[in-house]
Amino acid sequence: EIVMTQSPATLSVSPGERATLSCRASQSVSTNLAWYRQKPGQAPRLLIYGASTRATGIPARFSGSGSETEFTLTISSLQSEDFAVYYCQQYNNWPSWYTFGQGTKLEIK
Amino acid sequence: EVQLVQSGAEVKKPGESLKISCKASGYRFSSYWIGWVRQMPGKGLEWMGIIYPDDSDTVYSPSFQGQVAISADRSISTAYLQWSSLKASDTAMYYCARHESPHKQRDALDVWGQGTMVTVSS
Repeated sequence: EIVMTQSPATLSVSPGERATLSCRASQSVSTNLAWYRQKPGQAPRLLIYGASTRATGIPARFSGSGSETEFTLTISSLQSEDFAVYYCQQYNNWPSWYTFGQGTKLEIK
Repeated sequence: EVQLVQSGAEVKKPGESLKISCKASGYRFSSYWIGWVRQMPGKGLEWMGIIYPDDSDTVYSPSFQGQVAISADRSISTAYLQWSSLKASDTAMYYCARHESPHKQRDALDVWGQGTMVTVSS
């Protein structure tokens, strides 16, 4: 099983500031890595796939980077709607199963 | 508009069976892998398994293999998640979600259903 570890568990940042979230894979997942944002009471929304490609409709303040085992999601200037929980997910392990990280909660400082 | 609409909340007793649904619209249902994700109360996301509706090829996470069954009916563009004997520990929100590209196995989940809350309590 590929284990995805996100850090930190909670990140406190002020609106307008930059946030950097990390995700580490227990073995290489190439660039088969996605990021999702989940607001309270809502379904997750895809932000980034292929480690660095923004999904349709996702603003440019979101950027993803990394490959193999180390990945980063950067939000350049935090808006109110960005305070939520973020998950990374690997989808490299075909025909086996895919896994999510445990999540990072981004809260207002 | 591409949409996944899930069936409504369920309250069941331990030992009962259940089948929840996920109806797709706005795209060619048979051509996209569709998966199920569990979220227990206050917890993170867990990938359960996926199905390719065109031939019903299915992959399960070992954590869910034998505990649930994933199926699809191409004629009505609907995917299903089924339990034969529910446990209290099955209490969770369940989401269906579609792969981002047609036919692609290694892919992210770009369209999500609204979720179905399943509560199992005696």
